[in-house]
Amino acid sequence: AQKVTQAQTEISVVEKEDVTLDCVYETRDTTYYLFWYKQPPSGELVFLIRRNSFDEQNEISGRYSWNFQKSTSSFNFTITASQVVDSAVYFCALSEGTGGFKTIFGAGTRLFVKA
Amino acid sequence: NAGVTQTPKFQVLKTGQSMTLQCAQDMNHEYMSWYRQDPGMGLRLIHYSVGAGITDQGEVPNGYNVSRSTTEDFPLRLLSAAPSQTSVYFCASSYSQGPSEQYFGPGTRLTVT
Repeated sequence: AQKVTQAQTEISVVEKEDVTLDCVYETRDTTYYLFWYKQPPSGELVFLIRRNSFDEQNEISGRYSWNFQKSTSSFNFTITASQVVDSAVYFCALSEGTGGFKTIFGAGTRLFVKA
Repeated sequence: NAGVTQTPKFQVLKTGQSMTLQCAQDMNHEYMSWYRQDPGMGLRLIHYSVGAGITDQGEVPNGYNVSRSTTEDFPLRLLSAAPSQTSVYFCASSYSQGPSEQYFGPGTRLTVT
């Protein structure tokens, strides 16, 4: 069965610090997709990135970067030089082929960035 | 495009009452799903649909019914509300299963007393 673990419940950093949000997943499928979503204080859910299981290349988008390692079943998210606007809950999610590609989310990590 | 819309935004029910949470999307997405969000538990999948006429259960389906008669609409029915169903409910849609990111509605905050 698929499972996503985000062990960090809350993280607090000071602006301009780098921060890494951990995501560990479990799946028996060889074909699966991993996602990160952001939920700012306003409550909406915003898509950040998608990765498929055959593409282990790391990705960078501005201050955001993602490290996908199949060997450790991890898909970690790093924010460089954090800003107050990065304060949000971040969710990691997994969608696997078996079971119709339904998407399962982790419990989320709440990030506080203090000025 | 309005994207994914949900009504109502807020609702208070008494135990045992029934109601329907509405969800509609105008992006012609095949895949739609319902999640509930509770503190410390992230988003849990209630039901999902891969197209009109096809629905399936997610992680926490008990106490909820869904139907998908059109591509656009995916209502969630609470048959007999219980306090344990107090939560924030999100509807989402995507172009297809798996590979596509989901677009979420603004959520419905439901309180059952």
